[in-house]
Amino acid sequence: DAGVIQSPRHEVTEMGQEVTLRCKPISGHDYLFWYRQTMMRGLELLIYFNNNVPIDDSGMPEDRFSAKMPNASFSTLKIQPSEPRDSAVYFCASSLAGVSNEQFFGPGTRLTVL
Amino acid sequence: GDSVTQMEGPVTLSEEAFLTINCTYTATGYPSLFWYVQYPGEGLQLLLKATKADDKGSNKGFEATYRKETTSFHLEKGSVQVSDSAVYFCALSGQGAQKLVFGQGTRLTINP
Repeated sequence: DAGVIQSPRHEVTEMGQEVTLRCKPISGHDYLFWYRQTMMRGLELLIYFNNNVPIDDSGMPEDRFSAKMPNASFSTLKIQPSEPRDSAVYFCASSLAGVSNEQFFGPGTRLTVL
Repeated sequence: GDSVTQMEGPVTLSEEAFLTINCTYTATGYPSLFWYVQYPGEGLQLLLKATKADDKGSNKGFEATYRKETTSFHLEKGSVQVSDSAVYFCALSGQGAQKLVFGQGTRLTINP
């Protein structure tokens, strides 16, 4: 299996622009998670889905952030408009409901907003 | 709510030294406990896990024992290598929950 795939790996944009991050979970997994990692705040859970339905979006920082999962093999995290404080590494992870609850992480997207 | 507290870093050791990274948790019921490792420029990957009290998780020479009486899951390794340099995260999932609660991470540097 290819693991969790994220694109792009690096994104540099200017303040005010729209940014879209993409994630393909491991085939067959029914949970998908979006995280943000910064030096100041560590690893934060933004939102997670079960069977393509958003379950908990309490970690989404504000209305500029939105996430969708139109099907079992694709999810997007969109920031519009972007701000310099959104600069971070964004991770997607997926898991299969069961006893172990192990999450498999993608390589991350490093976002820089100038 | 559930929470995880990790030993603050950074931690710097010499090669072949003994490693302990402390982790304690607060949770109701019987959570599952995890250690994840993040190598530079990569995502997190599972290092080891334990799903019930007194279980010992082990992998790559690392060990951690689920201690319910002390609500702890300390990570240990008898002899570290330079390649162990990474950030280590302790995490839990509440009973019946899929979401993970992470500690703040501990950066480990091993010098030759």
